[in-house]
Amino acid sequence: GAGVSQSPSNKVTEKGKDVELRCDPISGHTALYWYRQSLGQGLEFLIYFQGNSAPDKSGLPSDRFSAERTGGSVSTLTIQRTQQEDSAVYLCASSSRGRSDTQYFGPGTRLTVL
Amino acid sequence: AQSVTQPDIHITVSEGASLELRCNYSYGATPYLFWYVQSPGQGLQLLLKYFSGDTLVQGIKGFEAEFKRSQSSFNLRKPSVHWSDAAEYFCAVSISNFGNEKLTFGTGTRLTIIP
Repeated sequence: GAGVSQSPSNKVTEKGKDVELRCDPISGHTALYWYRQSLGQGLEFLIYFQGNSAPDKSGLPSDRFSAERTGGSVSTLTIQRTQQEDSAVYLCASSSRGRSDTQYFGPGTRLTVL
Repeated sequence: AQSVTQPDIHITVSEGASLELRCNYSYGATPYLFWYVQSPGQGLQLLLKYFSGDTLVQGIKGFEAEFKRSQSSFNLRKPSVHWSDAAEYFCAVSISNFGNEKLTFGTGTRLTIIP
């Protein structure tokens, strides 16, 4: 079946602009996660959605970052007023339930802020 | 807070040689442990995972890992590497934090295979 998809695969933007990154999880998966992979920080958790529960936003690095998940499926990660340190690969993952299940990752969106 | 340590940043092995990648975790209870592989330009692919039971787990592509509670380790092994195994390998732990199921990753080990 189809895996996790992300779009765009690459995004180049200018400092100060807003960007939106999209994630389509595996159909039927109730949990969705965003991670960031950068040279300086490695792989970092950003935010987690589980069903209709309030999302865990504890990993978001600043209030310029936000995410939503519409209809329990597609998710959008928004970065406002981008900074050069936001340059990274943003990875989305989904899983069918909580702690004991496998997270399946998408190919990522490479964000470059000039 | 939980943490994962991969002490080897880069490892080079000859094709056909055996491989062991080290992973140590810090957590008060038994965590759920994972190994993921990332090939250049690709997303993360799960190699294997440990939840409970048999401490030696088998994964895809001929990989295995052994959970050793006394050493807080979950090392990844393969008896004979192939050139296609060249990639970056990440150890990760999942714990429950008020219902959060996030993964905490190690910094990764880059594996180079030489002919």
